[in-house]
Amino acid sequence: AQKVTQAQTEISVVEKEDVTLDCVYETRDTTYYLFWYKQPPSGELVFLIRRNSFDEQNEISGRYSWNFQKSTSSFNFTITASQVVDSAVYFCALSEETGANNLFFGTGTRLTVIP
Amino acid sequence: NAGVMQNPRHLVRRRGQEARLRCSPVKGHSHVYWYRQLPEEGLKFMVYLQKENIIDESGMPKERFSAEFPKEGPSILRIQQVVRGDSAAYFCASSKTGGLGRRNQPQHFGDGTRLSIL
Repeated sequence: AQKVTQAQTEISVVEKEDVTLDCVYETRDTTYYLFWYKQPPSGELVFLIRRNSFDEQNEISGRYSWNFQKSTSSFNFTITASQVVDSAVYFCALSEETGANNLFFGTGTRLTVIP
Repeated sequence: NAGVMQNPRHLVRRRGQEARLRCSPVKGHSHVYWYRQLPEEGLKFMVYLQKENIIDESGMPKERFSAEFPKEGPSILRIQQVVRGDSAAYFCASSKTGGLGRRNQPQHFGDGTRLSIL
């Protein structure tokens, strides 16, 4: 069973608009970790955030914010006042404390910010 | 990029040749993980190694692919007799203790090796 679902394949927004990228996960572990990565056109993976399952506080970092909702198994990512440099593919990922030893990645959402 | 070094950054091979991808983990890390990203797709786990041992190779294709992480030196992902379908980006990550992304370990990947098969 797929463990991380990013239903939005591609999103386009006009610069300065806000955009939310959805991530829904599935796990039987009570302790787990959620991640977001950015993959710009240059191809590297840029780590954005790591959140453990016991910390449901939302987090804000500049124009980025994350909404973790255990009740709906979601870990959504919002970019406020988007910029062209935000154009990238964004991946959500899950790591389980007692499950497999690796990160499960979603299929990614390609965000295009139009100037 | 948090110390995981991969080389080469780009590798071009002709069909039938061998490809060797190298990954040097963060200093002090003894666990290495390889992932493959096919064009326009997400990252898929391939193999997890600890020094001199393969712990989990459930994501490795059964033929032509092998991985090692010797006592000294980088981890090597080896693809024999490459075919066009092997064209992909291959990423490596490392951790100090077992389990990628667990506990308080920050989780960074190398910049990847982009393999192109002619």
